Amino acid sequence: AQRVTQPEKLLSVFKGAPVELKCNYSYSGSPELFWYVQYSRQRLQLLLRHISRESIKGFTADLNKGETSFHLKKPFAQEEDSAMYYCALSGGFTRGKLIFGQGTELSVKP
Amino acid sequence: DAGVIQSPRHEVTEMGQEVTLRCKPISGHDYLFWYRQTMMRGLELLIYFNNNVPIDDSGMPEDRFSAKMPNASFSTLKIQPSEPRDSAVYFCASSLRAGSEAFFGQGTRLTVV
Repeated sequence: AQRVTQPEKLLSVFKGAPVELKCNYSYSGSPELFWYVQYSRQRLQLLLRHISRESIKGFTADLNKGETSFHLKKPFAQEEDSAMYYCALSGGFTRGKLIFGQGTELSVKP
Repeated sequence: DAGVIQSPRHEVTEMGQEVTLRCKPISGHDYLFWYRQTMMRGLELLIYFNNNVPIDDSGMPEDRFSAKMPNASFSTLKIQPSEPRDSAVYFCASSLRAGSEAFFGQGTRLTVV
């Protein structure tokens, strides 16, 4: 069965510190992985996807198929990064299915 | 395009009442998703449609929940009868095709008292 696990509900760091939000998935096949972000009072929106291999707002994420992980990283956190982050997976026999993890709230303190 | 539009934004109802949540996806998008967001479980997929056809409703918690998509520009999620444990934020999202970016609505905050 497809599953996305984000082990941390809350991650609190100081401004300028490195950040790593963990995401593990279970899926047999070639999944498509995403990170979505929800800033306060805003809609959930796409942050990045693994196939793009891009860096958005300083965030990167590498798909590790051996460890079935897709951790989100940023070397120096900013206060404006404080938000709810969701890891998501698309795939399966019905490719359109899009499931999310439980979410991690990132709090960046000054 | 105004994006995905959900109504109402807030709904407070009494236990046992019927609740209907509405969603207008982005024009041209083939996929529509309904999610429920809670602190305990995060973002749960309830059901999704492809070209107005329900593909997977395995996330619908009980028979009290039902969803329809009568046409490409409108979907409803109905809870009948509602219970206090249904209190949550319900999101609708749409995407152009399988595996593409999903665009979310503002959500409906449902409170059942």
